Amino acid sequence: DAKTTQPTSMDCAEGRAANLPCNHSTISGNEYVYWYRQIHSQGPQYIIHGLKNNETNEMASLIITEDRKSSTLILPHATLRDTAVYYCIVREAPGSSYKLIFGSGTRLLVRP
Amino acid sequence: GAVVSQHPSWVICKSGTSVKIECRSLDFQATTMFWYRQFPKQSLMLMATSNEGSKATYEQGVEKDKFLINHASLTLSTLTVTSAHPEDSSFYICSADATASGRAVHNEQFFGPGTRLTVL
Repeated sequence: DAKTTQPTSMDCAEGRAANLPCNHSTISGNEYVYWYRQIHSQGPQYIIHGLKNNETNEMASLIITEDRKSSTLILPHATLRDTAVYYCIVREAPGSSYKLIFGSGTRLLVRP
Repeated sequence: GAVVSQHPSWVICKSGTSVKIECRSLDFQATTMFWYRQFPKQSLMLMATSNEGSKATYEQGVEKDKFLINHASLTLSTLTVTSAHPEDSSFYICSADATASGRAVHNEQFFGPGTRLTVL
């Protein structure tokens, strides 16, 4: 079973920030938080990951709470092409070839 | 990022026939690949872990005799759906772990574009 819970759906206006929450209250010390997204009828795409520090890359920012029981993915300026299902996944430390278990994800709709 | 391809992108077959789906890592070697199945409006469900040169590891509830996996080289894994039936119609997605090749900057898996199987 997936170790994360996410809202089923969200929407935001184009150009605004999209903040996608994820709860992972049972995360263990050696598990990272990974985010992937899946645009309709395509394979998932890696977005970002983190352990306990906040992370930022060209796609998004990841904010992890101090107790690591939840996190938020932030798309700073959402575009229509960001409409997708976003999956928050916890997995073992990078460097190990470990399977990803997908939960139900959040369906994000970016409105024009 | 590294590129993973799947072939075919879609296939329609008659009930009772077998269908082979290929997953290739185009610019890196992958000792481990994964196969997922996705039904409409549902999440990805991991079917099995494919390891080069050894038997695949199947998730609970996945019939290994029904879904044959072969990982004969470091760039190719195949999934064969044997004696396909309409309930096997689904979107099949593979991913490849590029960790060993050094291509996984963030140790992420790279996913193929998926294969849509329709069994009549």
